[in-house]
Amino acid sequence: QVRLVESGGGVVQPGGSLRLSCAASGFTFTSYGMHWVRQAPGKGLEWVTFIRYDGSNKYYADSVKGRFTISRDNSKNTVYLQMNSLRAEDTAVYYCAKDSNWGCHDWGQGTLVTVSS
Amino acid sequence: QSALTQPPSVSGSPGQSVTISCTGTSSDVGNYNHVSWYQQPPGTAPKLMIYEVSNRPSGVPDRFSGSKSGNTASLTISGLQAEDEADYYCSSFTSSTTWVFGGGTKLTVL
Repeated sequence: QVRLVESGGGVVQPGGSLRLSCAASGFTFTSYGMHWVRQAPGKGLEWVTFIRYDGSNKYYADSVKGRFTISRDNSKNTVYLQMNSLRAEDTAVYYCAKDSNWGCHDWGQGTLVTVSS
Repeated sequence: QSALTQPPSVSGSPGQSVTISCTGTSSDVGNYNHVSWYQQPPGTAPKLMIYEVSNRPSGVPDRFSGSKSGNTASLTISGLQAEDEADYYCSSFTSSTTWVFGGGTKLTVL
């Protein structure tokens, strides 16, 4: 079955950087686009970014454009989220999700990012 | 990229039906059938319940159904069960080639 495992979360100071990883298994990774979605403590879901199956196109929410970069390594079945210039408002659980039929069909368990001095 | 509008909370008794609305604009819900619904019990990751407005992934009970009219999508849960108590989110693809979520609706089973 589909398995998505996020890692790389932690505590980082404002202005700092962090790279999240999402290891995928149980499906043909090279055939699917991938999303990152975040959820601030006690808040709702916020879509962050999407990458097509072959990495040819990437899309971002305005709130992270220019600071976050999504990438993927299809040889490692892994998608990444490079987060720079982090702000307090980026504090959230970050989920990766497999796209199917224009929705987030399968989700990982999430990794917590805390931006604090 | 304004969030889609959902009611903060809905409630119903076991066996009853409830409907959760999700209002967007002609740039998202009104222009695409790429509307999804997610269920998130406390402390867990979201789970896809409906995709492409009205389709259920395998394993989702047929008590869950989706529809759309104009700029508003709806999720209906019939025959409410205690296990349905959770937060529910809608999502839509947008004309900016992004996705947007609703603010979420807390379902309470009385």
